[in-house]
Amino acid sequence: EDQVTQSPEALRLQEGESSSLNCSYTVSGLRGLFWYRQDPGKGPEFLFTLYSAGEEKEKERLKATLTKKESFLHITAPKPEDSATYLCAVVNYGGSQGNLIFGKGTKLSVKP
Amino acid sequence: KAGVTQTPRYLIKTRGQQVTLSCSPISGHRSVSWYQQTPGQGLQFLFEYFSETQRNKGNFPGRFSGRQFSNSRSEMNVSTLELGDSALYLCASSKTADGYTFGSGTRLTVV
Repeated sequence: EDQVTQSPEALRLQEGESSSLNCSYTVSGLRGLFWYRQDPGKGPEFLFTLYSAGEEKEKERLKATLTKKESFLHITAPKPEDSATYLCAVVNYGGSQGNLIFGKGTKLSVKP
Repeated sequence: KAGVTQTPRYLIKTRGQQVTLSCSPISGHRSVSWYQQTPGQGLQFLFEYFSETQRNKGNFPGRFSGRQFSNSRSEMNVSTLELGDSALYLCASSKTADGYTFGSGTRLTVV
């Protein structure tokens, strides 16, 4: 059964304190791994898509990496506005295009 | 560029009633998928429509149904509402499997 596990569930950082969020996945055939950011009461906002092991993508203070079993979202020198829940999701080759399998997310709080 | 539009944003219904939620995808996106988000279960896949056909369905009871129109707009319906159906319902549209854009969701409260 395809599964996505995110850790930690919650993370509290001081402004400027870099860290990483983990997304472990078990999927029959990975078509793509997605990172989203979600603010309270809003829909998930797309950040990155990764397709194959070794791939990396960056956007401002965020960098996503992918191995055969997990993905990391590295946050460098975070600011309070980076506070949000970060969601990881996968799509497998056997599933339909729109069937994203989500982890339960990591709630990030960045204190000034 | 217009995003994914979901209406209504908030809804309060009584147990036993039925409800219909609407989703207008980004222009040119033919795939629309629906998700239920709750604090305990997170985001769970309900179903996906492509060119008016349901391509996949998640593990939800038959009370949850949907449809897609020729202009790609989609609706989902929940009949005989239960307290446990209270959740944020999200739809996402995509043109390819490379990117999924979510709407802001409909917050459904069942009392």
